[in-house]
Amino acid sequence: ETGVTQTPRHLVMGMTNKKSLKCEQHLGHNAMYWYKQSAKKPLELMFVYSLEERVENNSVPSRFSPECPNSSHLFLHLHTLQPEDSALYLCASSQDRPTGGNTEAFFGQGTRLTVV
Amino acid sequence: AQSVTQLGSHVSVSEGALVLLRCNYSSSVPPYLFWYVQYPNQGLQLLLKYTSAATLVKGINGFEAEFKKSETSFHLTKPSAHMSDAAEYFCAVSNQAGTALIFGKGTTLSVSS
Repeated sequence: ETGVTQTPRHLVMGMTNKKSLKCEQHLGHNAMYWYKQSAKKPLELMFVYSLEERVENNSVPSRFSPECPNSSHLFLHLHTLQPEDSALYLCASSQDRPTGGNTEAFFGQGTRLTVV
Repeated sequence: AQSVTQLGSHVSVSEGALVLLRCNYSSSVPPYLFWYVQYPNQGLQLLLKYTSAATLVKGINGFEAEFKKSETSFHLTKPSAHMSDAAEYFCAVSNQAGTALIFGKGTTLSVSS
């Protein structure tokens, strides 16, 4: 496997369920991100991790809980979500400091989440 | 605060025609600018990036973009559209802290034969 891999690709969950999204990067990067992509909205940055430390939390509701156990893995734990949380959740990674200004981010294919 | 504005949510061209996707930025510091492409059911792929080395940046798949400070623009062009170019295109700028990218709303490019 190469690049950034996200699982599952699709997820349907009820509002009372608990689920987790997984992201794994095989690029040797040390920064990882979660973005939310909703229809007709810009990509929204949710969380940034650098060297496994959370460096940015973009006012995300507590029903989304990230976890970064090591520089290769990133999780997004979900609980008691709302229908408006349905979106494509994208994971990305980059080398050096998060984005480092001129360092591009590499994206996974995303998890399409539907909350019913 | 850094931001980008993509003019036109949808652009349609004929195969072989010029592609022009517009992006204007707002930045309180010298910006780092990026163009990404997203194909259906896929993540985002980097097309090109501007890092102040040269104002005309060449990317993959024949795309290029020109940084114009006086116009605060970073428009994406391709001389001749191909059917495979149909996708959504995102312009992005590094945030001021350099911790992440801020994206525009995207422009959907349609290519007709």
